[in-house]
Amino acid sequence: GQNIDQPTEMTATEGAIVQINCTYQTSGFNGLFWYQQHAGEAPTFLSYNVLDGLEEKGRFSSFLSRSKGYSYLLLKELQMKDSASYLCAVRAPDSNYQLIWGAGTKLIIKP
Amino acid sequence: GAVVSQHPSWVICKSGTSVKIECRSLDFQATTMFWYRQFPKQSLMLMATSNEGSKATYEQGVEKDKFLINHASLTLSTLTVTSAHPEDSSFYICSASPMDQSYEQYFGPGTRLTVT
Repeated sequence: GQNIDQPTEMTATEGAIVQINCTYQTSGFNGLFWYQQHAGEAPTFLSYNVLDGLEEKGRFSSFLSRSKGYSYLLLKELQMKDSASYLCAVRAPDSNYQLIWGAGTKLIIKP
Repeated sequence: GAVVSQHPSWVICKSGTSVKIECRSLDFQATTMFWYRQFPKQSLMLMATSNEGSKATYEQGVEKDKFLINHASLTLSTLTVTSAHPEDSSFYICSASPMDQSYEQYFGPGTRLTVT
């Protein structure tokens, strides 16, 4: 079956760095997405990885290792507004559009 | 660019009535639109995939006669919750994939449905 695992909740301090991990077991792979979702709002796109390595975009970076079925989202210089849920999603192998979603990681930022 | 709107943003209806939710891609044409449901503190659950001009593909366990999807154009898809019940109360979110950028999904702001 298809499975995506993320920690349920993490806590970090304002100004620090936090790494949110995501592991996946899927029959095939066509890309991995990270989305941010604030409570009561729809998800917003953060990153897309299809090849191994690190993609950096400002304070956020995303890493992928296809051989290990592993990705992480790295958030630097944390701000209070980064308190949100972070969703990992893998594009389904039998469709270019359908995403398999992890349960999300709730990130709590403390002053 | 790549803005998706939903209407209404929230709705309260009585049990047994029907509710229609609209999803529009405002500045791009969408090959495919997706409808998700999200219960509190849970992740997104894909309900159905909608392609313009064809019937929607529903996920296992989603009643197609209860959740009617119409994708009449490349910029509009609608979800109608028929004979709503309190257990249908949820956050409904649509997303759309641009025709020239099919790997990414852009999400609408969501519709919060409360059935009393």
